[in-house]
Amino acid sequence: AQKVTQAQTEISVVEKEDVTLDCVYETRDTTYYLFWYKQPPSGELVFLIRRNSFDEQNEISGRYSWNFQKSTSSFNFTITASQVVDSAVYFCALSEAGGHQFYFGTGTSLTVIP
Amino acid sequence: GAVVSQHPSRVICKSGTSVKIECRSLDFQATTMFWYRQFPKQSLMLMATSNEGSKATYEQGVEKDKFLINHASLTLSTLTVTSAHPEDSSFYICSTYRGGRTDTQYFGPGTRLTVL
Repeated sequence: AQKVTQAQTEISVVEKEDVTLDCVYETRDTTYYLFWYKQPPSGELVFLIRRNSFDEQNEISGRYSWNFQKSTSSFNFTITASQVVDSAVYFCALSEAGGHQFYFGTGTSLTVIP
Repeated sequence: GAVVSQHPSRVICKSGTSVKIECRSLDFQATTMFWYRQFPKQSLMLMATSNEGSKATYEQGVEKDKFLINHASLTLSTLTVTSAHPEDSSFYICSTYRGGRTDTQYFGPGTRLTVL
């Protein structure tokens, strides 16, 4: 069963628009970690955020914000005032405590049009 | 700075040759490293878990005789693609696991393999 679902395969927005990338996860563990990574065309995965299951506080970092809702098993990522440099593939991932394995979503390809 | 390095970043080889990819943990000793493969426009697929001093654990469907993994030291794991074929062309990414408070995987920059 898919543990991490990113239903949006591709998104295009015009520069300065806000965009939200959805991530829904599935786990039976009470302790787990959620991640977002950015993969620009160069291919290198860029770590954006790590959130543990006990911390439901939303987080903001500059133009980036994350909304973690355990009730809906979602960990959505919003980019405010998008820029062309935000164009990349974004992956959501789940790691269950006690195991090292990451479960990646299928990724959302974001294109920001100037 | 970079936590994990990979070498080479890009390699082109002829069909039938073997290619070795190195993954180095720069900042800490990594008893566990992971190898992923990513096809164009697809997600990362875990190939194997590399454990220092022991045999790697391969995911279902991954040929262990074709993808040889050696984790001889706490800072180096190597993936050798033996008798490479065009269908092995892919982006290979390694990661190191750091437990404790961080409990995070750190990813290398990836190696793009093209088999002609």
